[in-house]
Amino acid sequence: EVQLLESGGGLVQPGGSLRLSCAASGFTLNKFAMTWVRQPPGKGLEWVSAISGSGGTTYYADSVKGRFTISRDTSKNIVYLQMLSLRADDTATYYCAKGSIAVAGTSYDYWGQGTLVAVSS
Amino acid sequence: DIQMTQSPSIMSASVGDRVTITCRASQSISSWLAWYQQKPGKAPKLLIYKTSNLESGVPSRFSGSGSGTEFTVTISSLQPDDVATYYCQQYNTFPPAFGQGTKVEIK
Repeated sequence: EVQLLESGGGLVQPGGSLRLSCAASGFTLNKFAMTWVRQPPGKGLEWVSAISGSGGTTYYADSVKGRFTISRDTSKNIVYLQMLSLRADDTATYYCAKGSIAVAGTSYDYWGQGTLVAVSS
Repeated sequence: DIQMTQSPSIMSASVGDRVTITCRASQSISSWLAWYQQKPGKAPKLLIYKTSNLESGVPSRFSGSGSGTEFTVTISSLQPDDVATYYCQQYNTFPPAFGQGTKVEIK
């Protein structure tokens, strides 16, 4: 059974940093792309970042480029999102999702429960 | 970047009604479109991929169609369990983009 479990969210001051983790089970990361999608409170879904199944290609939304880094540890089956220079508009629930295939341009067939990141002084 | 626009933003229908939600892309995305259902306080759930392919376990009252820039998802007979917000997503080119969502309510 595929499961995704995010952790690492919390309250952080503007300019601070956080590292989100997504522990995957029921499949191996090197066969599927993984992505992070966020949802500000009461708003819609926004794609943030993706990594291909090979791990060789990463993608970022313009709004986070240069501040966020996606990575993975295939030995632990965990995907990370390192977030630096956080701003108030980064406040959202962050979802980890599994791609349907290894190529990063894909639909997302399994989602975690989300972890809330709140950026405020 | 490709923009996705859904209509309507909110809709109210009776149990048993046929419900259709439209999603328009700012440029052609071929058939690379997915639909997700999100219930309050829950993660999104994949309903349909590549325009018209039903994800495993999704009730057959859901269907999708379209190509190029205009797409629809239809619920053939609305059920109380279908109350949710529905999002389309294009994955033809990066960055992937979601529509703004359509909230479906029971009248």
